[in-house]
Amino acid sequence: QVQLVESGGGLVKPGGSLRLSCAASGFTFSDFYMSWIRHIPGKGLEWLSFISGSGATTHYVDSVRGRFSISRDNSKNLLYLQMDGLRVEDTAVYYCARPRVSGGGNFRHWGQGTLVVVSS
Amino acid sequence: IVMTQSPDSLAVSLGERATINCKSSQSIVYSYNNKKGLAWYQQKPGQPPTLLIYWASTRESGVPDRFSGSESGTDFTLTINNLQAEDVAVYYCQQYYTTPYTFGQGTKLEI
Repeated sequence: QVQLVESGGGLVKPGGSLRLSCAASGFTFSDFYMSWIRHIPGKGLEWLSFISGSGATTHYVDSVRGRFSISRDNSKNLLYLQMDGLRVEDTAVYYCARPRVSGGGNFRHWGQGTLVVVSS
Repeated sequence: IVMTQSPDSLAVSLGERATINCKSSQSIVYSYNNKKGLAWYQQKPGQPPTLLIYWASTRESGVPDRFSGSESGTDFTLTINNLQAEDVAVYYCQQYYTTPYTFGQGTKLEI
């Protein structure tokens, strides 16, 4: 079955960087757009970015554009989120998510999440 | 597109009906199939969200038929009939008509 496992979260100081990874299995990874979504404690869910199956197309929400970069390695079934210039308000649980169908925008499959804490 | 849910929280008795509302700031109708790009999720503490409903009213496989979605224009409703204890969660609507995909602020459902 579909499995998504995030890693790479942790404690980082404001202005610092982290790279999150998401290991995918149970489906043909390269066939699917993939997204990163975060859950800010006490607030809600925020979709951050998607990348097409080939990696040629990416899109970001304004709040992270220019600071975060999504990428993928289809040979390893890995999705990445490079996060630079981290801010306190980026503190959240970060999920990778796969849509129901390849290019869709509703998310049937989610990882368990990785916690990122930005604090001095 | 701004998604606004109401109420922020509600308490419903076991066996009763819960109704959660969501409004989109603009039309989210896909022209190719005339369907609305609206999904509902359930999130329990410490867990990722679970997809309940997509295309505003299509129930995801495995979701109990107590859960249903409806729509009228830019107004959307999630209805949970015969409320069970395991339904305690935060519920989110999400539009996937256009990027950035956006979620409502969430509705906390309690018994």
